Amino acid sequence: EAGVTQSPTHLIKTRGQQATLRCSPISGHTSVYWYQQALGLGLQFLLWYDEGEERNRGNFPPRFSGRQFPNYSSELNVNALELEDSALYLCASSLWGSGGYEQYFGPGTRLTVT
Amino acid sequence: AQRVTQPEKLLSVFKGAPVELKCNYSYSGSPELFWYVQYSRQRLQLLLRHISRESIKGFTADLNKGETSFHLKKPFAQEEDSAMYYCALLGGGSEKLVFGKGTKLTVNP
Repeated sequence: EAGVTQSPTHLIKTRGQQATLRCSPISGHTSVYWYQQALGLGLQFLLWYDEGEERNRGNFPPRFSGRQFPNYSSELNVNALELEDSALYLCASSLWGSGGYEQYFGPGTRLTVT
Repeated sequence: AQRVTQPEKLLSVFKGAPVELKCNYSYSGSPELFWYVQYSRQRLQLLLRHISRESIKGFTADLNKGETSFHLKKPFAQEEDSAMYYCALLGGGSEKLVFGKGTKLTVNP
């Protein structure tokens, strides 16, 4: 069974630009979660999508946004990039109704803002 | 507010020694707690969850509601246990995991 996939592996942007990160969940999983893993801050919840809708949002500014497509894949967009956005962005998926008992994580996208 | 605290950033033990990774949480309701592990160059994966009360790779963790703790224990550490360990909490209805900052465990030969 293929796991959660993310692209690209690495992304280098300059301040002020926009970044788009992509995630494909495990087949059959309808929920997608995004987390930011910044140095010294640990893993912080960003967004949760299920059935195409945003269900919950972490404490991040509106320039962090995303969407979920009909095939349940997801995009995370970060506008007006700032240096502190440099981090590893992890995507996870789970099956609705499982109560979130297990979230399966992708390998991450390393975003570097210069 | 939901919060998970892992007081040790780094923990180093010798092979065969017992190991305990500490986790304390703050949550007003009945939480579900998990331990996730990340081995070198691998993705984050679930190690165990309190609700299943199972032992995985020799690790166990007991939820202590009185002390609001969920410490991870193994009686005899192995070198392959060296990894980053994260304690996480799932608050009721929120469907988001709140993670601690992690503990890097090194098991020396």
